[in-house]
Amino acid sequence: NAGVTQTPKFQVLKTGQSMTLQCAQDMNHEYMSWYRQDPGMGLRLIHYSVGAGITDQGEVPNGYNVSRSTTEDFPLRLLSAAPSQTSVYFCASSPASRAYGYTFGSGTRLTVV
Amino acid sequence: GESVGLHLPTLSVQEGDNSIINCAYSNSASDYFIWYKQESGKGPQFIIDIRSNMDKRQGQRVTVLLNKTVKHLSLQIAATQPGDSAVYFCAENSYSGNTPLVFGKGTRLSVIA
Repeated sequence: NAGVTQTPKFQVLKTGQSMTLQCAQDMNHEYMSWYRQDPGMGLRLIHYSVGAGITDQGEVPNGYNVSRSTTEDFPLRLLSAAPSQTSVYFCASSPASRAYGYTFGSGTRLTVV
Repeated sequence: GESVGLHLPTLSVQEGDNSIINCAYSNSASDYFIWYKQESGKGPQFIIDIRSNMDKRQGQRVTVLLNKTVKHLSLQIAATQPGDSAVYFCAENSYSGNTPLVFGKGTRLSVIA
């Protein structure tokens, strides 16, 4: 049981490049979400999904796309990277009832130059 | 090293003393609250939760207090240890709803040996 797995752990992109941050969970959790964490800003929600085929926007969705074709995977796509997207990205999942809070991955540190 | 949390409020506590970390929330509809601990370079980790029908809940060395009248949450850590050094976040949402967790900005706890 690996929990929530995020890849890559570190990534450097040039402005304008695109990439996908991967997130997979093996706990059969219905609910998955992506947060970004910036100094002094806490965790801000980018996108979330309440189940396969269903996604919704969070607080800071601009510049990011998501899809949820399976229960296990919830990739986050950066369409055209900008320096403002330099951040640490966390994926989280929880059971459908969301009674026990979230399980977080270990994060992806992204730098856009 | 981890740059997240550079500008967070910091609480410095002597090893062995008790720590109290505070959190204010704004949404009167929130009825479920969680405390997370985030160590440097890692994702947030669940510590303890509380529902709004309770005022107090205890775990191992940790106690969460909820004051719904003033929308205030606190985390008390007994006999603080060096391993408790981390950033602590409170989070809130509706236990029965379908809304994502909303995180506070966090407090850095620094334990002085």
